Amino acid sequence: AQSVSQHNHHVILSEAASLELGCNYSYGGTVNLFWYVQYPGQHLQLLLKYFSGDPLVKGIKGFEAEFIKSKFSFNLRKPSVQWSDTAEYFCAVTKPYNQGGKLIFGQGTELSVKP
Amino acid sequence: GAVVSQHPSRVICKSGTSVKIECRSLDFQATTMFWYRQFPKQSLMLMATSNEGSKATYEQGVEKDKFLINHASLTLSTLTVTSAHPEDSSFYICSARYPDTQYFGPGTRLTVL
Repeated sequence: AQSVSQHNHHVILSEAASLELGCNYSYGGTVNLFWYVQYPGQHLQLLLKYFSGDPLVKGIKGFEAEFIKSKFSFNLRKPSVQWSDTAEYFCAVTKPYNQGGKLIFGQGTELSVKP
Repeated sequence: GAVVSQHPSRVICKSGTSVKIECRSLDFQATTMFWYRQFPKQSLMLMATSNEGSKATYEQGVEKDKFLINHASLTLSTLTVTSAHPEDSSFYICSARYPDTQYFGPGTRLTVL
């Protein structure tokens, strides 16, 4: 069965620090990869996604993620965080939907950015 | 685009009653919708997959008779929690797939007294 693991439960950074959140998955076939963000009191929003092509994916708000197939990883990065990036971040993985894929979430990483 | 709404956003009910939660895709048609449950400070757990015009597929451990799902149209899926009990109190989130990305509703906070 698919599983998704996020390495950090809670990350605390100061503004302007660089961010990298780890995500590993356990499915060996073709996968679609996502990062979602949940700001306090708000619903899940899509940050970025990877289906195929360039393994370095750029998303909204300056976020990017790199797919490394050999490591089964899809880490999220941002060069310089802002206070407004304080939120819960979820990595999610699915097989292609035409293969019966279901979106499975990692445990989430809470990011706190100090002003 | 790709907006999903849920109604109600918050509901409090007495033990033994049933509660219906609606999930709508506002600006697209979704052949597949999903229902998740989120516990405080935890991730989302998939409860069931709902396909328009057919029976929902439930994940292991989810009681299909307690959590009734109806996907009557391409823009509406409903989750009915039947004979709710305090342990059913949770945050229920729906999502709709379009075309290969899931978009999430704002969630419904259910409190069973």
